[in-house]
Amino acid sequence: QSALTQPASVSGSPGQSITISCTGTSSNVGNYNLVSWYQQHPGKAPKLMIYEINKRPSGISYRFSGSKSGNTASLTISGLQAEDEADYYCSSYAGRTTLVIFGGGTKLTVL
Amino acid sequence: QVQLVQSGAEVKKPGASVKVSCKASGYSFTSYYMHWVRQAPGQGLEWMGIINPSGGSTSYAQNFQGRVTMTRDTSTSTVYMELSSLRSEDTAVYYCARRETAMVMNYWGQGTLVTVSS
Repeated sequence: QSALTQPASVSGSPGQSITISCTGTSSNVGNYNLVSWYQQHPGKAPKLMIYEINKRPSGISYRFSGSKSGNTASLTISGLQAEDEADYYCSSYAGRTTLVIFGGGTKLTVL
Repeated sequence: QVQLVQSGAEVKKPGASVKVSCKASGYSFTSYYMHWVRQAPGQGLEWMGIINPSGGSTSYAQNFQGRVTMTRDTSTSTVYMELSSLRSEDTAVYYCARRETAMVMNYWGQGTLVTVSS
């Protein structure tokens, strides 16, 4: 299966809200509520921010939220802060052959 | 607390194999599957496969079938990922990540850089 499609970059000013999309197909995003989002700062391991479309792990700010419509999932970050500047990756369950696929990643710049 | 500590950086020649380890602590080792994910320089994340530390069963991504082997040692709470027939395109940081529920990866190792160069 091909990677999920994300915009290469998004940007926003402190305090604003941004949304990152993640488009798949009916074989992955569209067929399962098993989309996760990861944040990765340079030189660091990824960090889980959202799982199962819209659930936040313990310790993750309420400013991060997720949603899904059809074959596209979205991550919204409200009240942008400087520390939110990072790369963001979506992932989805993709069936029994290739269990997990990732998006290509989106670089978030806080202006 | 949950910790995943990986082995150190490796430099390998094309055609060789590499074996990366991931030692788990702070939880019941056999209760959680472990993923392996890699990231080439400046590139995105790529899922490689998953191992069940309890019984040792594995599932590999099609891109790595025949080249990757994931094993575990329950006596030391360590999982291993071995990649063979290395080529320059395998140069990447390799991560282990603990599966929470339904393919969610909540704890990650620090990553191991594998460089393939002649």
